[in-house]
Amino acid sequence: DVQLVESGGGLVQPGGSLRLSCAPSRFTFSNYWMSWVRQAPGKGLEWVANIKQDGSERNYVDSVKGRFTISRDNAKNSLYLQMNSLRDEDTAVYYCAREAGYCSSTTTCYFWFDPWGQGTLVTVSS
Amino acid sequence: DIQMTQSPSSLSASVGDRVTITCRASQSISRYLNWYQQKPGKAPKLLIYAASSLQSGVPSRFGGSGSGTDFTLTISSLQPEDFATYYCQQSHNIPRTFGQGTKVEIK
Repeated sequence: DVQLVESGGGLVQPGGSLRLSCAPSRFTFSNYWMSWVRQAPGKGLEWVANIKQDGSERNYVDSVKGRFTISRDNAKNSLYLQMNSLRDEDTAVYYCAREAGYCSSTTTCYFWFDPWGQGTLVTVSS
Repeated sequence: DIQMTQSPSSLSASVGDRVTITCRASQSISRYLNWYQQKPGKAPKLLIYAASSLQSGVPSRFGGSGSGTDFTLTISSLQPEDFATYYCQQSHNIPRTFGQGTKVEIK
């Protein structure tokens, strides 16, 4: 089966930094947009960032702009999320997810998240 | 940003019941709407994409409908393994946004 495995989570103090990694397997990583999605304890899902197949385009939710950087290394089959200036409200399980999809025309492309990794917990606390 | 609002936030139902969850977008999103199921401690799982297409391997009792701003996820006959939280998500534009979730509990 197609699989994603995250790593790099842990406990960090406010203002600190952490780098998450995601390792895909059983699919051609370089063919897909990839995303990070997070879930605070007991809360819903929040999309964080995504990155185009060749890394030439990146998008972020407003709350992490200027603090988080999404990147990828297609040669190493890896996705990353560098998180700086961490805040208490960044505490969450972070999932990486493949953006699968198809285009029914030149202007109509549908995307969805599938599969998802198992998640890695980031706790920001003093 | 497009706001996604699900209703109800939670519901209690019995095995065999027909369950309907609604998702409303703050602006038209055509059919750029996906549904996910999440069980406690697990990653979300894709059920429906493009509003009404059933993901491979998902039981046919799950169905999606709608377009524009109003969408529905229907479980035709609730099974014990369906007790979970369900999320809608729009892929019309960035940022991708999710509904707040609907928790389906055992009556």
